[in-house]
Amino acid sequence: EAQVTQNPRYLITVTGKKLTVTCSQNMNHEYMSWYRQDPGLGLRQIYYSMNVEVTDKGDVPEGYKVSRKEKRNFPLILESPSPNQTSLYFCASKTGTEIYNEQFFGPGTRLTVL
Amino acid sequence: RKEVEQDPGPFNVPEGATVAFNCTYSNSASQSFFWYRQDCRKEPKLLMSVYSSGNEDGRFTAQLNRASQYISLLIRDSKLSDSATYLCVVTRVYNQGGKLIFGQGTELSVKP
Repeated sequence: EAQVTQNPRYLITVTGKKLTVTCSQNMNHEYMSWYRQDPGLGLRQIYYSMNVEVTDKGDVPEGYKVSRKEKRNFPLILESPSPNQTSLYFCASKTGTEIYNEQFFGPGTRLTVL
Repeated sequence: RKEVEQDPGPFNVPEGATVAFNCTYSNSASQSFFWYRQDCRKEPKLLMSVYSSGNEDGRFTAQLNRASQYISLLIRDSKLSDSATYLCVVTRVYNQGGKLIFGQGTELSVKP
């Protein structure tokens, strides 16, 4: 089944404890992206990757890191999480970089930072 | 001002009703337009793309007015299963490979 998977789905952690949210897609998509969703603010892009070893900042990159060593994986790293990073996170992927291609989203990771 | 703005919700309608959602975007360089559907904090899923000539998919009709920078979604004969949040989404040419710019969403609740 073609899909985007994320782990963990739910996480409660404490300020400053490094964590990684994994994202994997099995559709051979070149483009991958991370979004966060917050009440009143909607979904906003954190980082994106056009292909392996090519990553760039989105609208809200502060406090996050990413890497793209393999085409299928695009982990999101929070080196020192803070309470303002409490949010619902979605990974997405699409084929190519054409803007009209559909993006497929993972099921989401609900993160709480205490 | 947000780049993509939608009608505030929630919309509460009876089954069988026709409901319309409106959306405006502020950047005239916006190139592609979509409606996504999101169920109860699950992942957004593409409902339909929106084309300049307007397009229809079953009970759903999407319209685009580039001059007014306005997008609409019409749902006819509402079903209980249509209850969800509808997200208006735009992208711009050469914008970060296709970053999706989301509106805040309009919540629809269809009642029996």
